[in-house]
Amino acid sequence: SQQGEEDPQALSIQEGENATMNCSYKTSINNLQWYRQNSGRGLVHLILIRSNEREKHSGRLRVTLDTSKKSSSLLITASRAADTASYFCATPERSGNTGKLIFGQGTTLQVKP
Amino acid sequence: DAGVIQSPRHEVTEMGQEVTLRCKPISGHDYLFWYRQTMMRGLELLIYFNNNVPIDDSGMPEDRFSAKMPNASFSTLKIQPSEPRDSAVYFCASSLGGQGAKNIQYFGAGTRLSVL
Repeated sequence: SQQGEEDPQALSIQEGENATMNCSYKTSINNLQWYRQNSGRGLVHLILIRSNEREKHSGRLRVTLDTSKKSSSLLITASRAADTASYFCATPERSGNTGKLIFGQGTTLQVKP
Repeated sequence: DAGVIQSPRHEVTEMGQEVTLRCKPISGHDYLFWYRQTMMRGLELLIYFNNNVPIDDSGMPEDRFSAKMPNASFSTLKIQPSEPRDSAVYFCASSLGGQGAKNIQYFGAGTRLSVL
């Protein structure tokens, strides 16, 4: 089954720097989502990008999608210590309507003050 | 809406005991998901329901695990008997289901289970 695979597994940067995380998947999708998980908390949805979109912005977040390469990236600009968390990409199980998402293994981001 | 509500937040039990985790999904959501998260295995989908009916339980580790959804506002995940390797954080999530934004999942705060 398709699966989001992310890299790097871990990323450590200084406050103010940009952080880029990448996600690859295996089969055709109609959308891709990114989630954040703070330590000890549940996942929180950040942004959804549809297959006919190449780029989407939300505040300091910028997501790109390249369906030809089956990959997506999440860029966090001007990072803050509060951005320290794990970030997951997720894709629908298949193009149909099952409700199920396949989550990647996540990228752990540490932003040092 | 208060979001997805899970209880208890923390559970410590001894090996062999029965454990019941509870979840109240967001009102109006048709899909409910149970996940388990560990450092070693990451986030694993255990089972999910659509309109209270189990759709896919292929992620349930073994017969010691069972899940029910007696109505649209309540689900339980039961482990009997519990074992130390069941120690993990268990999450419940719900979604409207469907295309695009309708399949965004909303997660509860999780139940941290420790089996001694």
